[in-house]
Amino acid sequence: GNSVTQMEGPVTLSEEAFLTINCTYTATGYPSLFWYVQYPGEGLQLLLKATKADDKGSNKGFEATYRKETTSFHLEKGSVQVSDSAVYFCASPSGAGSYQLTFGKGTKLSVIP
Amino acid sequence: DTGVSQDPRHKITKRGQNVTFRCDPISEHNRLYWYRQTLGQGPEFLTYFQNEAQLEKSRLLSDRFSAERPKGSFSTLEIQRTEQGDSAMYLCASSFQSGSSHEQFFGPGTRLTVL
Repeated sequence: GNSVTQMEGPVTLSEEAFLTINCTYTATGYPSLFWYVQYPGEGLQLLLKATKADDKGSNKGFEATYRKETTSFHLEKGSVQVSDSAVYFCASPSGAGSYQLTFGKGTKLSVIP
Repeated sequence: DTGVSQDPRHKITKRGQNVTFRCDPISEHNRLYWYRQTLGQGPEFLTYFQNEAQLEKSRLLSDRFSAERPKGSFSTLEIQRTEQGDSAMYLCASSFQSGSSHEQFFGPGTRLTVL
């Protein structure tokens, strides 16, 4: 199987600060890796993804690089905004056939003006 | 709107009652998933359909939980004899079978409160 461990929050940053949320996985092989974001009262939205080693996913100023050597997929953003306040989940397929996603526990980010 | 939709968005029920939730996936997606999310946790996989076939249901939380997708389109999740511990957000997701990314698209969820 595959398990995902991500840095737990909450994380509070000032606007324009640098963000890093760590995520590691345990699967052997090359599972796809995802970051989902959940805004208050809403469902999960795919933020970015990577499907093979050294891929860099990017969206809305967020980036994450698939590091096979460290089994990591850390989320970064150079300058956060108040509108980035949300819960961020790292996820990866697990189970036979890799049909189910296994999620980290989520990291709540609050950005203050 | 062509995203995944779920109905109802909120459900309050009394312990012991049965509840049923509906999910309408993105129309061209043949895979449909149900997850449960409790407060402060990531989503937890429950079950999965490919077209109308339920290919994995061992992760359903108990025999009080059941899911159907009779025509390979919308799906329902039923919880019988609800308990307070069933209070959670129930999320539906869908995906298309081809491709290697296993990307899933989520609906807004149904929040269940059992009194």
